[in-house]
Amino acid sequence: KAGVTQTPRYLIKTRGQQVTLSCSPISGHRSVSWYQQTPGQGLQFLFEYFSETQRNKGNFPGRFSGRQFSNSRSEMNVSTLELGDSALYLCASSPVREGGYTFGSGTRLTVV
Amino acid sequence: QKEVEQDPGPLSVPEGAIVSLNCTYSNSAFQYFMWYRQYSRKGPELLMYTYSSGNKEDGRFTAQVDKSSKYISLFIRDSQPSDSATYLCAMSSVSSGNTGKLIFGQGTTLQVKP
Repeated sequence: KAGVTQTPRYLIKTRGQQVTLSCSPISGHRSVSWYQQTPGQGLQFLFEYFSETQRNKGNFPGRFSGRQFSNSRSEMNVSTLELGDSALYLCASSPVREGGYTFGSGTRLTVV
Repeated sequence: QKEVEQDPGPLSVPEGAIVSLNCTYSNSAFQYFMWYRQYSRKGPELLMYTYSSGNKEDGRFTAQVDKSSKYISLFIRDSQPSDSATYLCAMSSVSSGNTGKLIFGQGTTLQVKP
């Protein structure tokens, strides 16, 4: 059974640019969540999508956005990148919204 | 105060030891409790997923939830060097506006020495 697939694995971007990260959830999983992981703040919730609708959003600025497609695949976008956006971005999927999420390996974003 | 508190360690034990990892939380609305293991440069791997209070066992791993004390634990029996990783507790509730959102502890770094 294929796991959660995130692409790309690594990205280097310049401050001010924008970036799009992709996530393919486990087949049949309709809930997809995104998290930012940094050494100082740990894992922080960005947003959750279920049936193509954003159901929940964390305390991040509007520069962070996402969407989910009809096949449950999801993308997140960060515009006007800042140095502080450097982090591991993790996508997770679950058949239900209560928990038990399976994570991907993440996209390591470095902003220079 | 953070919603979920977890001692970051590091915790170092000899091979074969019983390991106890713990988290405390403040939000009584949490109903679902998870433990994840994360190796360096990898995403978190779900180890245990429990609902409400009680114990759950899976191989060498036992998860305990005490909602009255707002305290959860993960026990690892016969620890192996391959268990060396960061362990993260996570919690969620189904209250309005919070479904689909996991709140994580800071993670405990465990080293099991051969």
